[in-house]
Amino acid sequence: EAGVTQFPSHSVIEKGQTVTLRCDPISGHDNLYWYRRVMGKEIKFLLHFVKESKQDESGMPNNRFLAERTGGTYSTLKVQPAELEDSGVYFCASNAGLISGEQYFGPGTRLTVT
Amino acid sequence: EDQVTQSPEALRLQEGESSSLNCSYTVSGLRGLFWYRQDPGKGPEFLFTLYSAGEEKEKERLKATLTKKESFLHITAPKPEDSATYLCAVREFSGGYNKLIFGAGTRLAVHP
Repeated sequence: EAGVTQFPSHSVIEKGQTVTLRCDPISGHDNLYWYRRVMGKEIKFLLHFVKESKQDESGMPNNRFLAERTGGTYSTLKVQPAELEDSGVYFCASNAGLISGEQYFGPGTRLTVT
Repeated sequence: EDQVTQSPEALRLQEGESSSLNCSYTVSGLRGLFWYRQDPGKGPEFLFTLYSAGEEKEKERLKATLTKKESFLHITAPKPEDSATYLCAVREFSGGYNKLIFGAGTRLAVHP
């Protein structure tokens, strides 16, 4: 079974530019999560999709971040315009149901804003 | 506010030298404590879930235990391949919300 995949693995952009990160969850997983780790800090929750609906977006830092999950399959996270403090590693995770709770993570996208 | 604190920040062991990592937490109602392993450049890899005080889980050289205030990850006779960052997380699960709150991790280095 294929795991969670993320694209690109690394992105370097200039301040003010736009970047779109993509996540493909494990097939059949209705729940999809975005997290990020900024330098020296712990991994922090951004948002949670159930199928195509945003269940919880309480962790989204501001309105420069837009997440979508059209059709309830893959998800994109767009940052527009990017700021220096957006640099970090963005992780995607998925799980099938909410009973067991464990989430399966992708390899992450390292975003560097210069 | 739910919080997770891991200690030590870093740990260096000789191969075969057993030790324990600590994860202390404060949550309004525990709905699961999770241990993950993370290798450089990779995403967190799920290891264990613990739900209630007194519960224990084992996998190879690792054993996770849980009390009402903390969890321990015991590493018995570690090998160099056990070197990684070990992350602890608690689940905030209420009102339809389901998110993990992570600690900062313990960086473990096992030397031959």
